[in-house]
Amino acid sequence: AQTVTQSQPEMSVQEAETVTLSCTYDTSESDYYLFWYKQPPSRQMILVIRQEAYKQQNATENRFSVNFQKAAKSFSLKISDSQLGDAAMYFCAYRSESKSTFGDGTTLTVKP
Amino acid sequence: ETGVTQTPRHLVMGMTNKKSLKCEQHLGHNAMYWYKQSAKKPLELMFVYSLEERVENNSVPSRFSPECPNSSHLFLHLHTLQPEDSALYLCASSQDLLAEAYEQYFGPGTRLTVT
Repeated sequence: AQTVTQSQPEMSVQEAETVTLSCTYDTSESDYYLFWYKQPPSRQMILVIRQEAYKQQNATENRFSVNFQKAAKSFSLKISDSQLGDAAMYFCAYRSESKSTFGDGTTLTVKP
Repeated sequence: ETGVTQTPRHLVMGMTNKKSLKCEQHLGHNAMYWYKQSAKKPLELMFVYSLEERVENNSVPSRFSPECPNSSHLFLHLHTLQPEDSALYLCASSQDLLAEAYEQYFGPGTRLTVT
């Protein structure tokens, strides 16, 4: 069964600094996608970034980038130049043809 | 807003009440989902529908009854709930169930409190 583990329930970062959120997953499938979603307080969950398992190049979206290590089944999210608006709960998600699984989430606090 | 709407946004109900949660997506998606989000288990998949057909039911108690009359609407009918059912209920949609490239679009959720 596919599992997604986010080992950091809470993280904090100083405004303008960089923070990395960890995610590991377990799967026997070879074709899948990985996602990071952001859920701000009292607001809708939205997609931050996605990574296709077949692509070796790490995905980047402005200040958000991932470190995808397929052999290690690791998919961390790096947020550069953190802003107050980045404060939210972040979910790592795995999706294949047969399964969609979310991690338990990491609550990120941004300190001014 | 991401094109997925949910009503009501807040609901307080007694254990003997019957109520329904509504979800509507305006994105032309074929798959819709119900999730339960609580402090104890942050995101639990409850039901999955693809083209109005239920394809997944993750051991959800029968006091939760989903309905998908068409690909744009999804309901969750509630009856004789328990206090531990209090949670945020999220609806989501995706373009296709089996296409792993497609992300899910979430609604704002219904905050349910069972008294």
